[in-house]
Amino acid sequence: SQQGEEDPQALSIQEGENATMNCSYKTSINNLQWYRQNSGRGLVHLILIRSNEREKHSGRLRVTLDTSKKSSSLLITASRAADTASYFCATDVPGYSTLTFGKGTMLLVSP
Amino acid sequence: DGGITQSPKYLFRKEGQNVTLSCEQNLNHDAMYWYRQDPGQGLRLIYYSQIVNDFQKGDIAEGYSVSREKKESFPLTVTSAQKNPTAFYLCASTLLWGGASEYGYTFGSGTRLTVV
Repeated sequence: SQQGEEDPQALSIQEGENATMNCSYKTSINNLQWYRQNSGRGLVHLILIRSNEREKHSGRLRVTLDTSKKSSSLLITASRAADTASYFCATDVPGYSTLTFGKGTMLLVSP
Repeated sequence: DGGITQSPKYLFRKEGQNVTLSCEQNLNHDAMYWYRQDPGQGLRLIYYSQIVNDFQKGDIAEGYSVSREKKESFPLTVTSAQKNPTAFYLCASTLLWGGASEYGYTFGSGTRLTVV
């Protein structure tokens, strides 16, 4: 079964706006990761947040983690057309040897 | 440059044929993974390997086989037993430390397999 579920499934915004994507999961985690996938390409690791962290920043990316609600959010500020991609969350669960990926959020940023 | 290389980028298979997808990394990563991606279904794990000469089945291993004879290489064979092989295949690798991934996965650029 899917551990991480992203919301919304698709998001369309204008350049310069902020984009927020959410990820909910079911069990306790070691860490949660966000990846980007451009159409027809492999995934690119964006950011990792550990279970004892609440917020992390990397450039225009801001990730939050609420372990009590078992949820995470990815905020992309001042979006650009080049941010158009699918975004996936992945969870590292204790006792599991592999990450579990969600189905992704498709982000479209229009010029 | 260090990275993970998948080849070929596009592959066409006839019914009843076995085909092998290549995955090579020069990152000195311990673990390697194969995922299948279908539209709207996210990534599904086929096989993974944490050390040389050892590998484990993932969620959808039926109709696939792998080998890990060298740390750098993790080829995936799609056999004729896989009834619906048309998909985008992604290979990934990571250093192992503690849990499944402390550092994130590095992905290849994928192989698109089509049955003709």
